[in-house]
Amino acid sequence: QSVLTQPPSLSGAPGQRITISCTGSSSNIGAPYDVHWYQQLPGTAPKVVIYNNFIRPSGVPDRFSGSRSGTSASLAITGLQTEDEADYYCQSYDSSLIAPVFGTGTKVAV
Amino acid sequence: QVQLQESGPGLVKPSDTLSLTCTISNYPMATPHWWGWIRQSPGKGLEWLAAMFYSGRTDYNPSLRSRLTMSVDMSKNQFSLELTSVTAADTAVYYCARTRHSSAYEEFDVWGQGTMVSVSS
Repeated sequence: QSVLTQPPSLSGAPGQRITISCTGSSSNIGAPYDVHWYQQLPGTAPKVVIYNNFIRPSGVPDRFSGSRSGTSASLAITGLQTEDEADYYCQSYDSSLIAPVFGTGTKVAV
Repeated sequence: QVQLQESGPGLVKPSDTLSLTCTISNYPMATPHWWGWIRQSPGKGLEWLAAMFYSGRTDYNPSLRSRLTMSVDMSKNQFSLELTSVTAADTAVYYCARTRHSSAYEEFDVWGQGTMVSVSS
């Protein structure tokens, strides 16, 4: 049972913008611990698309952006492309569990 | 470029102990990172299991702590995970991964390809 809640699924047409929310609490995102975002294509390992709330690793398109406010965080994908169709997970750290925690995951359909 | 490769039994019987190994290539394990294990049950989300700092400190998922043990073999550049008393609920893809730097709060920037483990008699 994850302590970070995400919408199960979202969809958008090519070129549109979608935003994936990640809702936590005062012991994780609100503590505040940094939030990281992963993209998982079918049959592959997760890949970081945003770390430390808003930083994009080298090679990740700038249509991916992240933000954090209070006990929540968001991943926005602008100019949606078919290759963005994947599962997305947020991750933070929880001081009550003394452990990294993942979000419930969001399946994005394009 | 650092690479991680999991190895495991593929199939484990209920109540047995699952043993997994992660082999690190092109990078010394004796560097300030957390080396960890994450699993994903079929069709489900990611679950952090355990992680070990290069100095030896180990943290475990509180809900699985009593069943988990991590170990390291620096001479082989490998780290391992044991999960005791497995049940069907432990059927999953098991990934090993590394944090970007030395903080347990950081993201896992390098992942293995994962190894599927099924629990069945």
